[in-house]
Amino acid sequence: GAGVSQSPSNKVTEKGKDVELRCDPISGHTALYWYRQSLGQGLEFLIYFQGNSAPDKSGLPSDRFSAERTGGSVSTLTIQRTQQEDSAVYLCASSSRLGEAFFGQGTRLTVV
Amino acid sequence: GEDVEQSLFLSVREGDSSVINCTYTDSSSTYLYWYKQEPGAGLQLLTYIFSNMDMKQDQRLTVLLNKKDKHLSLRIADTQTGDSAIYFCAESRGSSNTGKLIFGQGTTLQVKP
Repeated sequence: GAGVSQSPSNKVTEKGKDVELRCDPISGHTALYWYRQSLGQGLEFLIYFQGNSAPDKSGLPSDRFSAERTGGSVSTLTIQRTQQEDSAVYLCASSSRLGEAFFGQGTRLTVV
Repeated sequence: GEDVEQSLFLSVREGDSSVINCTYTDSSSTYLYWYKQEPGAGLQLLTYIFSNMDMKQDQRLTVLLNKKDKHLSLRIADTQTGDSAIYFCAESRGSSNTGKLIFGQGTTLQVKP
């Protein structure tokens, strides 16, 4: 597709379970970003990738959060032992060297 | 400080101009962005400006950049009810074209008919 694609669009999980969120960036985009947006809040930076490496993972809230990117393309954000405070919309964006950064529609995660 | 700052709320009448302001922190930021988020939707890239520019105009949108004061503004001419949304400014930190994007808290624009 032409845009950033995220899956699933919605995820409801039980507290304590692990979840994986997937992001397919725009083809050829070298940078990939993960953000979290809680209800009515701004965007909280989590991690960004340049190629397959992550120059900045400072925003990951705890060691329950991890992310990887393979082949300079798809990225997976994994949350282990989910907690209710993890409930949010998780947004992925990608950008090219030209600087335009485009977002996917997000994954709405609800931990019950 | 470390934060990108925006005022939280702006209300205008339909047909008026809206000006949304933002202050950023990193003088080496290469790109500065404006995004629009409608209720229940994702972030739509509205426009962006390269740091060596002072102004960029795109139809009803005008972006002004004051690097000395690290101040960015978005002017929407002839504001319409469809412009009601949350507007986020963001800076791309660092000298790379693909640096870390840091967002403000968003300005809610309310357009009254």
